[in-house]
Amino acid sequence: DSGVTQTPKHLITATGQRVTLRCSPRSGDLSVYWYQQSLDQGLQFLIQYYNGEERAKGNILERFSAQQFPDLHSELNLSSLELGDSALYFCASSLRGGGPGDTQYFGPGTRLTVL
Amino acid sequence: AQKVTQAQTEISVVEKEDVTLDCVYETRDTTYYLFWYKQPPSGELVFLIRRNSFDEQNEISGRYSWNFQKSTSSFNFTITASQVVDSAVYFCALSEAQSSGNTGKLIFGQGTTLQVKP
Repeated sequence: DSGVTQTPKHLITATGQRVTLRCSPRSGDLSVYWYQQSLDQGLQFLIQYYNGEERAKGNILERFSAQQFPDLHSELNLSSLELGDSALYFCASSLRGGGPGDTQYFGPGTRLTVL
Repeated sequence: AQKVTQAQTEISVVEKEDVTLDCVYETRDTTYYLFWYKQPPSGELVFLIRRNSFDEQNEISGRYSWNFQKSTSSFNFTITASQVVDSAVYFCALSEAQSSGNTGKLIFGQGTTLQVKP
């Protein structure tokens, strides 16, 4: 158990809908990262937050948004869902400044299925 | 261009065999970090090791060992005397200091599925 929690574990929804994925980092970790794992794209970095501020953006669609709250938990919002958004979404956290040398510890993931 | 290449898509071995998972990376940064993660059938990603670009010393942890060679841009992972519990997908990942703007963005390889048969 990495100490990173993600809810829900599974999510099934329809095209066009909006969902929110939630992540709680390990106690004391200030950085939160979101990744998408799909069969065709593999594991892709989406976005990073550090202590409430956006730190880095990757291949995140405009339909997706995220935020990190004062208690350091983070939410990833996915809207206007398409079939291709079906994937496993991981949250990770790290202790320090969120730099390249920080070890990221991953949560169990949220499996999103868009029908 | 793929920055992290794991050319072996799937490997199948019999228990107690040694197996090496290859990882080749590409970067222009002088400071970077390499990672290995394990994804067992249950789906979570488990951290195994981190190595920085200035430390080419090989590392051993129990049955696991890692060989980092800057000259060939490789960071290979060897499991000695494999066990059925080692069956998983293994990912190599790169984190670049300069190119990422000093952020924690991880670039993953496509993963190698290891099946260890009893």
